[in-house]
Amino acid sequence: DAGVIQSPRHEVTEMGQEVTLRCKPISGHNSLFWYRQTMMRGLELLIYFNNNVPIDDSGMPEDRFSAKMPNASFSTLKIQPSEPRDSAVYFCASSFRRLAGAGFRFGPGTRLTVL
Amino acid sequence: AQTVTQSQPEMSVQEAETVTLSCTYDTSESNYYLFWYKQPPSRQMILVIRQEAYKQQNATENRFSVNFQKAAKSFSLKISDSQLGDTAMYFCAFLQGGSEKLVFGKGTKLTVNP
Repeated sequence: DAGVIQSPRHEVTEMGQEVTLRCKPISGHNSLFWYRQTMMRGLELLIYFNNNVPIDDSGMPEDRFSAKMPNASFSTLKIQPSEPRDSAVYFCASSFRRLAGAGFRFGPGTRLTVL
Repeated sequence: AQTVTQSQPEMSVQEAETVTLSCTYDTSESNYYLFWYKQPPSRQMILVIRQEAYKQQNATENRFSVNFQKAAKSFSLKISDSQLGDTAMYFCAFLQGGSEKLVFGKGTKLTVNP
């Protein structure tokens, strides 16, 4: 398979701008996760979806963050407006829900820098 | 809430030698899964090995093996015959059975020296 696909790989933007990160999960997987990685906080789960429905968004830091999954093959994570403290690597991961114990597959990540 | 602790922020090993990375976790559940993920400088998260809590036999994947001590809530990773390509961050992770919230430790940075 092509694996989990994320775009862009790198994003540099200025404070106040809108940022949209994109993810295409592995075909057939019905769970999708957004994680954020920083030096200070490590890997944090932001939100996850089952069958395109958001299940738990308790990790979303603020109302500036939003995520959507309009269909089984596409999800977005949007930050509006962006702030320098949002600088991090954002990972998308997917799995087949009933086989979650088999482990999640991660995308290559998007490195976001907000100036 | 479950927590995962990796007490070794950094480790180093000589090529061809064996190294063990430590991980402890805290849970009151009996059904769960444990994982080790590798993150090389490319930052790709790669699943190295997994263990199901109800299985007493330690998982092995080629040069990678685990020492799973359920009573002690310990899950260490042993890398045998270390190779330069093993240089990476290694994350221990916990998944409660029936849940989909994968909880990660802070990671151990492993350097394999030639």
